[in-house]
Amino acid sequence: GENVEQHPSTLSVQEGDSAVIKCTYSDSASNYFPWYKQELGKRPQLIIDIRSNVGEKKDQRIAVTLNKTAKHFSLHITETQPEDSAVYFCAASRVTNNDMRFGAGTRLTVKP
Amino acid sequence: NAGVTQTPKFQVLKTGQSMTLQCAQDMNHEYMSWYRQDPGMGLRLIHYSVGAGITDQGEVPNGYNVSRSTTEDFPLRLLSAAPSQTSVYFCASSRTGGNTEAFFGQGTRLTVV
Repeated sequence: GENVEQHPSTLSVQEGDSAVIKCTYSDSASNYFPWYKQELGKRPQLIIDIRSNVGEKKDQRIAVTLNKTAKHFSLHITETQPEDSAVYFCAASRVTNNDMRFGAGTRLTVKP
Repeated sequence: NAGVTQTPKFQVLKTGQSMTLQCAQDMNHEYMSWYRQDPGMGLRLIHYSVGAGITDQGEVPNGYNVSRSTTEDFPLRLLSAAPSQTSVYFCASSRTGGNTEAFFGQGTRLTVV
């Protein structure tokens, strides 16, 4: 089955700096790559996703890039704010398989 | 619109006891799933269902049973609780398959002593 690895496990940045979280996946047939944000004690919520027919997607301060050849994708957060502090999860799945696999998560701390 | 509702929020079980975690969604989603979340291990898929009457195993199915008699409900049963099943459990639903946005319930924190 699919295996998703996520790095780093913890990330601390100063407010206003950028943050980058990287994930690699093993199944070359995977074509859907979402990112979820989980605030402390809350449920995970989708913040952005990308499909394999595009290489980059942006939504305000958040962007995701995908390199299908290398089988990795990344989350970029610019101009970080304290409210960006949370655990972020990447995931991967494919159309023909309903088994979505998540990375282990990255705890992002934004220091004011 | 309640979304995905899980009950209970907290539960303590003794080893060997059985229980059912309830999950209901009101978005008419075809796909529902159960995950467990453990520190440093992310979210691991236990079971999923692509529609009423259809269920399948995920990554860590042992010790759990599911059924999907209606589109709305997807209960998770622990047959004989073990300390290794201490975890936070999330139910999720999505419009179609596992390759569309998942909407999560608020989670159930289960402790097995």
